[in-house]
Amino acid sequence: GPKVLQIPSHQIIDMGQMVTLNCDPVSNHLYFYWYKQILGQQMEFLVNFYNGKVMEKSKLFKDQFSVERPDGSYFTLKIQPTALEDSAVYFCASSWGRRSYEQYFGPGTRLTVL
Amino acid sequence: GDQVEQSPSALSLHEGTGSALRCNFTTTMRAVQWFRKNSRGSLINLFYLASGTKENGRLKSAFDSKERYSTLHIRDAQLEDSGTYFCAGFNVGDNSKLIWGLGTSLVVNP
Repeated sequence: GPKVLQIPSHQIIDMGQMVTLNCDPVSNHLYFYWYKQILGQQMEFLVNFYNGKVMEKSKLFKDQFSVERPDGSYFTLKIQPTALEDSAVYFCASSWGRRSYEQYFGPGTRLTVL
Repeated sequence: GDQVEQSPSALSLHEGTGSALRCNFTTTMRAVQWFRKNSRGSLINLFYLASGTKENGRLKSAFDSKERYSTLHIRDAQLEDSGTYFCAGFNVGDNSKLIWGLGTSLVVNP
């Protein structure tokens, strides 16, 4: 099936540093998403992105978070500065359409903030 | 808030047997997706349903939006079916993001 890739698989950084998580979505998909999963909790929506703009974001998408996809390259989630509570697994997803279209997920990036 | 209640949280099956996983929704969902997370952490899309039932090999899923539930039936379980199964729904009122359950951890034993 369609594949979403995420780089890196694991990132360890010190609190206050900047981190960028990279996602290579399915090639013909137009909508991109980030979800966050804290250990032992359910996965939760952060943000979705279309045509160079954030369409929707949740309350978990703090001011320190930003997303972009410059010139059709990786779809990225940047956190600057990081905080301890940002430690989680971040999943990227993509879909062809937005409202109730099937979403495809990457394997996640495990972020550990020390 | 919107919730997806997934059961059971853990399940152990012998090869060749079967069982059903269930998700109850506290709100009306427009569609549901089922996933399996394998040992490498990859989320594999199993089903997308907006209504009715779908079958794929030894897996069958059903979704009833009005009654607010979805099921995933596994028959003739094989060792490679082991993993964590998740359901996630698109809320009717805000259907661009998936709302997730906590998952069912399935172990298939020889």
